[in-house]
Order: sequence, then structure tokens, then C-alpha cells
Amino acid sequence: DAGVIQSPRHEVTEMGQEVTLRCKPISGHDYLFWYRQTMMRGLELLIYFNNNVPIDDSGMPEDRFSAKMPNASFSTLKIQPSEPRDSAVYFCASRFGLAGGPYVYEQFFGPGTRLTVL
Amino acid sequence: EDQVTQSPEALRLQEGESSSLNCSYTVSGLRGLFWYRQDPGKGPEFLFTLYSAGEEKEKERLKATLTKKESFLHITAPKPEDSATYLCAVREDYGNKLVFGAGTILRVKS
Repeated sequence: DAGVIQSPRHEVTEMGQEVTLRCKPISGHDYLFWYRQTMMRGLELLIYFNNNVPIDDSGMPEDRFSAKMPNASFSTLKIQPSEPRDSAVYFCASRFGLAGGPYVYEQFFGPGTRLTVL
Repeated sequence: EDQVTQSPEALRLQEGESSSLNCSYTVSGLRGLFWYRQDPGKGPEFLFTLYSAGEEKEKERLKATLTKKESFLHITAPKPEDSATYLCAVREDYGNKLVFGAGTILRVKS
């Protein structure tokens, strides 16, 4: 299994530009999570999807952030317009949705996208 | 109030010097405590899940334990390759979210 795939791995952009981060979850996983990691705030959940439907976006910092999951194998996180304070590492994670098993709640993370907004 | 607190923030050990990392939590209905390892420039890698007080899990030099208020990650005779940031996370009630602690940065010197 290829694991969770994220692209690009690094993104450098200027303030005000649109940024799109991409994620391919592990095949068969029906939960997808977007996180942001910074030194100050650690790992924070932004939004998560179940069966391609956004379930909880309470962690999305503001309207400049949006996320979509058009199908089971692809999700995007978009920032428009980007600001320097958005600089962070963004992770995508996925997991199985089958309830009742003992080991179905652990999430598997991708390698992350390091975003720098100048 | 922080739900998940990890200590120490950083730990330096000599190779072979055993120690423990702590993760204390304040969630009311724990439905899983998770340990992850994160290497620089990489995503968190799943290590263990613990569900009940008294439960223990082992993997190589690592052993995770759980009480009603905290979890410990014991590292026995660590090697330099054990150097990483160790994160713990909790799942509260029957939700789908994991709340992560700030992590402990472990450095093992040969």
C-alpha cells in the first residue's frame, strides 16, 4: 500500500496568492482528516470528511480556508488569499470507518505539505 | 484548559538509558489513547492504541501503559534511532476527532 499521498511536498508562495494542497487517502479508508502543525499550536484538526461528506469544519480558521472531497480518492485544501500566518505543515490523514473493531480509530498520516507564505 | 499534556517537552538520553514519557489527559469519556512517533520532515507514524486502564502494549523497546488519568511510554535501552518526537492523542466519547498533545522531543546519544 502506498499510504496517504500528499502534494506538493513544499510550497512557497506570496501573500495574497491562492494555494491548493492535495491528498489521496489510503484506498478503502472512508474518513479523511486535514491537520495543520505549527510550533506554537502543535497539531490541530481543521476539517474531516466521512464518505466524501464534510462532517466537522469547526477547526477551519476562517473563510479563506476551504476543503473539498469530490471522490473517495482525492481531497483538496484551498487557501485564498494566503497570508504569512498560514505558514505551517499541513497533513492529511485517513482511517477506516468500520465501527466495532478494536483498532479502527487510529489515523494514518501522509508526509505533509510544508507551506511558506512570504 | 488543555485536554492533553505531555511531559517533559524534551528529553536527552544516553544510549541504553531507560526512561518514560508522560501523557496526562482530562477528557471525561476516554475512548482511546493513541501514541505516534514523528520524525523530522515526516508525518506522524502510528505506534499504539490503548483503550482501558491497566492496558499495556509493547513494540520493540517501547511499552505504553494507561491509567485513568495518564499514559506512559516507557523506552527501554534506547538507541539513537529512537530519536523522534512522540505524540499522544485522545479520542473523547464516541467522536471521530483526535486531540493531540504538544509532543516530547526525544534525543538519544550514542
